[in-house]
Amino acid sequence: EDQVTQSPEALRLQEGESSSLNCSYTVSGLRGLFWYRQDPGKGPEFLFTLYSAGEEKEKERLKATLTKKESFLHITAPKPEDSATYLCAVRDAGNMLTFGGGTRLMVKP
Amino acid sequence: DGGITQSPKYLFRKEGQNVTLSCEQNLNHDAMYWYRQDPGQGLRLIYYSQIVNDFQKGDIAEGYSVSREKKESFPLTVTSAQKNPTAFYLCASRPGVRTGANVLTFGAGSRLTVL
Repeated sequence: EDQVTQSPEALRLQEGESSSLNCSYTVSGLRGLFWYRQDPGKGPEFLFTLYSAGEEKEKERLKATLTKKESFLHITAPKPEDSATYLCAVRDAGNMLTFGGGTRLMVKP
Repeated sequence: DGGITQSPKYLFRKEGQNVTLSCEQNLNHDAMYWYRQDPGQGLRLIYYSQIVNDFQKGDIAEGYSVSREKKESFPLTVTSAQKNPTAFYLCASRPGVRTGANVLTFGAGSRLTVL
């Protein structure tokens, strides 16, 4: 059974204080690891897809990396508008998607 | 603009009542999904449909039912058999398994509260 564990569950940062969110996974035949951003009371919005170990993708202050066992979402010099819940998900060889519980990020000015 | 529309955004239900959540997409996507989200938990798959007139149970289908009579529409009924229906419900879609496009597009969600 596929498993996705995100840590920490919640993270408080000061504006400008860089940090990383972790997504550890076990999956039968990785067909993609996905990062989504979710604002309170809204649906998740797609950020990145990573397919193989060593792959990296960037978007503004966010950078996602992937190893064979985990993915990191690095946030550089965050701003209050980066506050949200960040969700990680993996797709397996059977095309099924498993989500982690999310990390709730709060960035204070 | 293309997207997914879920309605209603908020819904209150008395115990023993069935309710139906609407999901409409104008993205021309073949596959549609219903997820349930509870605080601090990951999204859990209720039902999915890869093509019109066909759908499959997800991990937590008990107490729910769906239909897929049109490509654009995938309504979810929460029946009185669902023991703990209070949750945030998310509808999603993607182009189709054959296209290899893996990214899900989500609606804004419907919050159901049982009184």
